[in-house]
Amino acid sequence: KQEVTQIPAALSVPEGENLVLNCSFTDSAIYNLQWFRQDPGKGLTSLLLIQSSQREQTSGRLNASLDKSSGRSTLYIAASQPGDSATYLCAVLDSNYQLIWGAGTKLIIKP
Amino acid sequence: KAGVTQTPRYLIKTRGQQVTLSCSPISGHRSVSWYQQTPGQGLQFLFEYFSETQRNKGNFPGRFSGRQFSNSRSEMNVSTLELGDSALYLCASSLGGLAGSSTDTQYFGPGTRLTVL
Repeated sequence: KQEVTQIPAALSVPEGENLVLNCSFTDSAIYNLQWFRQDPGKGLTSLLLIQSSQREQTSGRLNASLDKSSGRSTLYIAASQPGDSATYLCAVLDSNYQLIWGAGTKLIIKP
Repeated sequence: KAGVTQTPRYLIKTRGQQVTLSCSPISGHRSVSWYQQTPGQGLQFLFEYFSETQRNKGNFPGRFSGRQFSNSRSEMNVSTLELGDSALYLCASSLGGLAGSSTDTQYFGPGTRLTVL
């Protein structure tokens, strides 16, 4: 059974710092890995999608990597801003075509 | 382009009642997926509909059901509500769906917050 773990559960950093969020999964048989952010009272917003054959994806200040063999992904946020404060979730599309989710990392960027 | 809309946004029901939640996908999207989010279990996949057919179902009891209409709008129904059904219910739409394309981006609605008393 696929399980997705995110570490840390919460993170608070000063504005301007670069940071890394971690995601691990137990079964390497995935079709893709996706990173989302969730803001209070709002739905989820897709940030990056990495197909199983890819190693990384970039969008602006965000860079996500995928190491399928070790079951790990990282989300790198450069030059963090207060607007980056949110809960970040990773999810894998498993062999049953279901999205399996991590519990999320709550990120607070202090001005 | 209008985003994914969900109605109602908030709902309060009592145990034993049933509830119907609605999701209108982005125009042109044929796939709608439903998820349950709770503090204890996190986000869990409920089911996916594509072109009016249930294409996939998560590990939830039969009290949870859904359907999709010809205009791709989807409804989910929960019968005989239990306290543990209190959750944020999210729907997401996409072009080809979870089984249709590994590159499909999922677009989420704001969710329906269900409270069961």
